[in-house]
Amino acid sequence: GAVVSQHPSWVICKSGTSVKIECRSLDFQATTMFWYRQFPKQSLMLMATSNEGSKATYEQGVEKDKFLINHASLTLSTLTVTSAHPEDSSFYICSARSSGGAWNEQFFGPGTRLTVL
Amino acid sequence: DAKTTQPNSMESNEEEPVHLPCNHSTISGTDYIHWYRQLPSQGPEYVIHGLTSNVNNRMASLAIAEDRKSSTLILHRATLRDAAVYYCILRDGTQGGSEKLVFGKGTKLTVNP
Repeated sequence: GAVVSQHPSWVICKSGTSVKIECRSLDFQATTMFWYRQFPKQSLMLMATSNEGSKATYEQGVEKDKFLINHASLTLSTLTVTSAHPEDSSFYICSARSSGGAWNEQFFGPGTRLTVL
Repeated sequence: DAKTTQPNSMESNEEEPVHLPCNHSTISGTDYIHWYRQLPSQGPEYVIHGLTSNVNNRMASLAIAEDRKSSTLILHRATLRDAAVYYCILRDGTQGGSEKLVFGKGTKLTVNP
């Protein structure tokens, strides 16, 4: 299957700083990428849908000014957690759908574990 | 999004078949049934999907009830590496429909050696 990478795999930061997480589709082009958040022992919660070249669509309750999403190319989407606080500590996961493949299948990245001190 | 209901947890023994059930009584005619699994500290992994007919691939089989209100993911011979949380998700297959995957709580599968 297609490969999606995330960088970094884990990050620890101080409260009030901003953190950028990258999501890359390595061997396919992705017109649509998705960002999820997962707290310990809970399921994945969709945060936003990112379309290449346009603004992201955020789920209800997700602050767009706090979680900045940029999908500037067909292989890269970034999530920036601005002014991070301890409650933002979570496992952030992206997924991507191939623009040329079956729409049924989404490929997920390995996740980024964010810890805010 | 139509909801799915799965048992919180199931146990299996290694090399035995596992049947993971999913109820989706409010499924619409255009909803596809997807299964993903998530190993500890990893992103989810696609397992299988189907619409009406049973499906087989190298990972698993998907048995879909005739009325489509339930489905069963079948792992023919469980291995320790199959221990994961398995998610059953409905997704609208309408052209131009939502591509979102809405994850429920899933079933945590434990495989005993």
